[in-house]
Amino acid sequence: QKEVEQDPGPLSVPEGAIVSLNCTYSNSAFQYFMWYRQYSRKGPELLMYTYSSGNKEDGRFTAQVDKSSKYISLFIRDSQPSDSATYLCAMSGANQGGKLIFGQGTELSVKP
Amino acid sequence: DTEVTQTPKHLVMGMTNKKSLKCEQHMGHRAMYWYKQKAKKPPELMFVYSYEKLSINESVPSRFSPECPNSSLLNLHLHALQPEDSALYLCASSRETNQPQHFGDGTRLSIL
Repeated sequence: QKEVEQDPGPLSVPEGAIVSLNCTYSNSAFQYFMWYRQYSRKGPELLMYTYSSGNKEDGRFTAQVDKSSKYISLFIRDSQPSDSATYLCAMSGANQGGKLIFGQGTELSVKP
Repeated sequence: DTEVTQTPKHLVMGMTNKKSLKCEQHMGHRAMYWYKQKAKKPPELMFVYSYEKLSINESVPSRFSPECPNSSLLNLHLHALQPEDSALYLCASSRETNQPQHFGDGTRLSIL
C-alpha cells in the first residue's frame, strides 16, 4: 500500500462545475498537507497548504484535512478552462527531513 | 513566473558530456531540493540541502553531483548520463525542511 493514494483520473468536467479532488494517506505523522497545480511543461505550483487539520479557503479553492479519516480534499468552485492541469497532493512530517510524499496526481480537464 | 529560477530551461547533451543545472532563490529559504520528474509521474526526490549541507541523498547514481555554493544557489553537475536520465529536473526551496516547498519550472533534459 502506498503512503499516499490519489485517483489519477483523468477527470473531465464542464465549465462552472464543482470539482472535488481527494487523497488518502496512511502515515499519521504527516503535519503539512499541500496541493500543487502543474500545467504542461511547467513546475508544480503550490496552490494551498494546511498545517495539521481543518479547512482553508482561497477564492474558488477550498482545502480540507480530516486527520481522523486520513483524508484530504481540494474543492474547486465555478471551474474554469484555465483550471485544466494536473493536481498533486503532497504531505510532509517533522521527522522526514524535507521529503514530500506525493500522490500520483489527478489530470483535470474543464471543458468550455 | 516562479520565485525559484532554473537555468537552462532545455538541455540536450550526449552521454559523454559534462553539464550543470543551476537553481536560484531569493526568498531566504534555508532548504533546497533537486527532484526528477518523468512524464505523468509525480516528482521523485534526489537530494536535500539544509543550511547548505547535504542532508538527504536518495541513492542517486554518482553521475549526478549536487553542490550548494551558498544559501541562494544550488547546482546539479551532470556527467556520463544515460538515455533513461532524460526527464524534467526540478529545483525547490522551503523555509525549513518540513515546510511547504516552492518549485521552479525545471530544466527539460534530453540525453542523446
